[in-house]
Amino acid sequence: AQTVTQSQPEMSVQEAETVTLSCTYDTSENNYYLFWYKQPPSRQMILVIRQEAYKQQNATENRFSVNFQKAAKSFSLKISDSQLGDTAMYFCAPRGNTGNQFYFGTGTSLTVIP
Amino acid sequence: DVKVTQSSRYLVKRTGEKVFLECVQDMDHENMFWYRQDPGLGLRLIYFSYDVKMKEKGDIPEGYSVSREKKERFSLILESASTNQTSMYLCASSLADRDNQPQHFGDGTRLSIL
Repeated sequence: AQTVTQSQPEMSVQEAETVTLSCTYDTSENNYYLFWYKQPPSRQMILVIRQEAYKQQNATENRFSVNFQKAAKSFSLKISDSQLGDTAMYFCAPRGNTGNQFYFGTGTSLTVIP
Repeated sequence: DVKVTQSSRYLVKRTGEKVFLECVQDMDHENMFWYRQDPGLGLRLIYFSYDVKMKEKGDIPEGYSVSREKKERFSLILESASTNQTSMYLCASSLADRDNQPQHFGDGTRLSIL
């Protein structure tokens, strides 16, 4: 099983500011995929962004981008121009290439302050 | 869009009862998963299934069983509910062998065992 570490249990950010959520993982695989999920309060978990480990270019989805450092096994999520709707739990989840299983971190609770 | 439907949003049961949590997906996904979500612990995999009648234990299978008689339906069974099984339960599904495809989640069932 992979180990996934999200070292920031709680974070807050002012509206319109930028925040970075950290994630590190441990894997012996060379090819794999990484995902960030968002779980708003009392709502469904949804995909935010995905990264393929063999791609050097960092993934970007509108205000969300990742900083993927393969050698360091680090996969941080940057949220620019934070909005109130970004308030949620965020989970980092690598997926191995050799199986169907996802591995989730313990999550970071992000609060956007008006 | 993929729809993953969990039968109950909230459920209250008594210690010793047999509890069934149902999950249905409508996108012909091969893989289905049951997670338990607890504060500070993130998502922990209970069981997953990669095909009809096939199942694999996750990280915390003790006290649980599953059933997958049809491709679209994956049931989680608490054989004899105990208070330490009070938790949020999340069902998810994904395509098999599509490593860049994310999991799709249901809304969750908040289960209380009294």
